[in-house]
Order: sequence, then C-alpha cells, then structure tokens
Amino acid sequence: AQSVTQLDSQVPVFEEAPVELRCNYSSSVSVYLFWYVQYPNQGLQLLLKYLSGSTLVKGINGFEAEFNKSQTSFHLRKPSVHISDTAEYFCAVSKGSSNTGKLIFGQGTTLQVKP
Amino acid sequence: EAQVTQNPRYLITVTGKKLTVTCSQNMNHEYMSWYRQDPGLGLRQIYYSMNVEVTDKGDVPEGYKVSRKEKRNFPLILESPSPNQTSLYFCASSFTGVGQPQHFGDGTRLSIL
Repeated sequence: AQSVTQLDSQVPVFEEAPVELRCNYSSSVSVYLFWYVQYPNQGLQLLLKYLSGSTLVKGINGFEAEFNKSQTSFHLRKPSVHISDTAEYFCAVSKGSSNTGKLIFGQGTTLQVKP
Repeated sequence: EAQVTQNPRYLITVTGKKLTVTCSQNMNHEYMSWYRQDPGLGLRQIYYSMNVEVTDKGDVPEGYKVSRKEKRNFPLILESPSPNQTSLYFCASSFTGVGQPQHFGDGTRLSIL
C-alpha cells in the first residue's frame, strides 16, 4: 500500500527567505508524485507533478521539487517566499500508471510567511 | 468558465437523514473524484470514477455511495449520515485520471448532529 508523510505540520518563515517543505512516500511500485496548494477557503490547486523523466520538476509561482527515488522523497522548495505563499500544501502519490484514479494525500503542511 | 460546481456549500443536518451533495463539471472530463478533508488528516479519497458507469472505492468509502450516470455529474450520497461524517468535502475532475491536473470545487462543509 502507498502512503505519504509530510514531516512538518507547520513551517513559519520570514518573507524573502528560502523554504523547504518535506514529503516522504512509501510504495512498492513506480509512482506519480504531486504537490497541491490550498489557499484559505478555497479548493486545491496543482503546483507541480512528477510523472517521469527529469527528477527536478518546476511548477507555478516559483516552486520546484526534486524526486529522490533512493530516499523516497519529493521535497518542495522555493528560494524566496512571499506573503501570498501563505497557504496549506499537500503532497500526494499515486500508482505510476497513465489511467490510475487512486490518489493518496499527506496530512498537509501549513506555510506561514511572516513580514 | 471552466469549473467544478458543488452544492450545497454548507449543510447542517441530523443523524440518519439521507442527503446528496451534487458535483458538476463543464470541462468534459472523464475522471471525477470525491475527497473529505479533516484537520490533521489531510485529504482522503472516498470514491472516484474513471468514466460514465465506472466507479471505484478510494481509501474511505464506508457510509458513502456515488453514481456516474452522466459524464458531467458525480453526486455523493450519504444514505444514513452519522456525526463522524462531519467534514469538508471536495469534488475534483480531470481529463483522464490523477496524472492530469485535477480541478477542484470550492468545497461543501457538512455538519451532522
């Protein structure tokens, strides 16, 4: 069975500082990996995804993530955060198949950007 | 405008009174899914549908039913709601599955007393 662990429930950071949100997964098969963002009182929005190919994935709003198969990790990074990045971030994993429908989310990490 | 529409947005009801949360998308997506969001647990998948008349269980299907008679609609049915189903529910859709970006609705907050 697949599972996802987000290692930090809250990450406070000052504006313009770099940030890393950590995600580890477990799976016995190849996987697709995702990061979603949820702004207050809204649904989720896809930030980026890893399906195959380059292990460094770039997403929207300046975020990027690196797929590390040996460490089963998919950490999200941004070199300089803005106040507007304050939100909840979710890592998710699915079986690495083009027609898969099942998706497992982590518990979420709240990013709090302070001025 | 491309969107996933959920109704109602908020509902307070009582134990055992059947309810349906509707979900409709206007993007001709084949894949639709329901999630519940609870503090500290993230999102958990309830049911998903790869296409019309094709549905499958997610991680937490107990106490829920779904149907997919038309491509655009994917209602979530609680036949006999209980307080542990009090949660924030999201419907999502994508073209062919989770490998494609999912479009999420704005959520439905259910309170079961």
